Amino acid sequence: GAGVSQSPSNKVTEKGKDVELRCDPISGHTALYWYRQSLGQGLEFLIYFQGNSAPDKSGLPSDRFSAERTGGSVSTLTIQRTQQEDSAVYLCASSLVGSGSNEQFFGPGTRLTVL
Amino acid sequence: AQSVTQLDSHVSVSEGTPVLLRCNYSSSYSPSLFWYVQHPNKGLQLLLKYTSAATLVKGINGFEAEFKKSETSFHLTKPSAHMSDAAEYFCVVSGSGYSTLTFGKGTMLLVSP
Repeated sequence: GAGVSQSPSNKVTEKGKDVELRCDPISGHTALYWYRQSLGQGLEFLIYFQGNSAPDKSGLPSDRFSAERTGGSVSTLTIQRTQQEDSAVYLCASSLVGSGSNEQFFGPGTRLTVL
Repeated sequence: AQSVTQLDSHVSVSEGTPVLLRCNYSSSYSPSLFWYVQHPNKGLQLLLKYTSAATLVKGINGFEAEFKKSETSFHLTKPSAHMSDAAEYFCVVSGSGYSTLTFGKGTMLLVSP
C-alpha cells in the first residue's frame, strides 16, 4: 500500500520568502507528526496532530513556523520569512493512533535549502 | 522527560563481523524503545521496537536488541554485518500514552569489504 508521501522532495528558496511543505499520511492514520533533521542537531520534533487538532506544538522553533491539517489527512507546514538556519530536511510521519508504542511511518522528507 | 544517548557517532566493521550499536535512555515512564535505520537519501525505516513484552527483541534483516532496565540500555546487535547494512541508525524512546519520539543523535555504521 501507499506510504507517507511528501512534496516537494527538494525546495530551494531565497531568504525572506515563505514556503509550504506538504505531507500525505497513510490512509486511516489519525496521528501525524512533523520533524526536522539538520546537521549537528539530529532529529527534532516540531508538531503533533491528532485528527485535525494539534495538542502538541512545543517543538515549533519560532512563530514563523505553523502547520495545519485538514480532513484528518493532508498536512501543510508553512515557514514564513525563511532564514538560512531553516535549511534542513523536514520529515513527516504518521501512525495509526497517537500512542507512544505505535510505530511511526516516515515519509522521504523535503530537503529545504534557504539561500 | 526522556532522552537518548547513542554512545558512538561512527562504528566501522568488516563484512561478516558482529555489529554492536550502543544506546542508553532516560525516561520517567515505562518507555517504548525503537531502532530506526536511514539509508542515504531514503526515509527512516523501523528495524525493531520494544514495548514491555519480551526483553530480547528481534527485528528485520537479522538485527536484534536487548532491553536492560537495570542498565537503562537498548543496544542493537547483529551477528554478521553485510555491506547493505551501511546506514545511519537511530535509537528512539517514547513515553507511555501519547508521546512524541525522542531521537538519539544517530550512529553511522560503515561496513568495509
